[in-house]
Amino acid sequence: EAGVTQFPSHSVIEKGQTVTLRCDPISGHDNLYWYRRVMGKEIKFLLHFVKESKQDESGMPNNRFLAERTGGTYSTLKVQPAELEDSGVYFCASSRSLSTDTQYFGPGTRLTVL
Amino acid sequence: AQSVTQPDIHITVSEGASLELRCNYSYGATPYLFWYVQSPGQGLQLLLKYFSGDTLVQGIKGFEAEFKRSQSSFNLRKPSVHWSDAAEYFCAVVLISGTYKYIFGTGTRLKVLA
Repeated sequence: EAGVTQFPSHSVIEKGQTVTLRCDPISGHDNLYWYRRVMGKEIKFLLHFVKESKQDESGMPNNRFLAERTGGTYSTLKVQPAELEDSGVYFCASSRSLSTDTQYFGPGTRLTVL
Repeated sequence: AQSVTQPDIHITVSEGASLELRCNYSYGATPYLFWYVQSPGQGLQLLLKYFSGDTLVQGIKGFEAEFKRSQSSFNLRKPSVHWSDAAEYFCAVVLISGTYKYIFGTGTRLKVLA
């Protein structure tokens, strides 16, 4: 069974540009989470999808961030326009059911905004 | 508010020595606790989890953790560290709510000396 995959692994962009991160969850996992780790800080929750519906966006920093999950499969997280403070590692995780099921994490996308 | 504290940012141990990584949590109800490990270039891998029952939990790679409600702790231990254990370790609690999102600690980076 393939794990959670994320693309790209690294992205370096300039302030003001747009970047789109992609996450492919484990097949059959309805729940998809995005987290972010800013350097030196804890990993923080951004948002949660159940299939294609956003269940909780409480962690999204501001309206420069837009997440989608078309068809309930893969998800994208777009940052537009990117700011310096958006730099960090963005993790995606998925789980089968909405419970205390283990969340399986991808390797993350390291975003650097110059 | 719920929180997880990992007091040690960096720990260095010699190969073959014992290891204990500390984790303290603040949570109003019965916590569901996890330890994850992230090796370089990899995603977060689940080491072990505690939901209920026996307070001493066995995990993969020879790790164990003990839940102590009186101390609000969930420390990770290994009797003999291997060089391949060098990685970053994260403690997390899951919020038993609509989204089951994780609250992470800041992580402990483990260095193993040969």
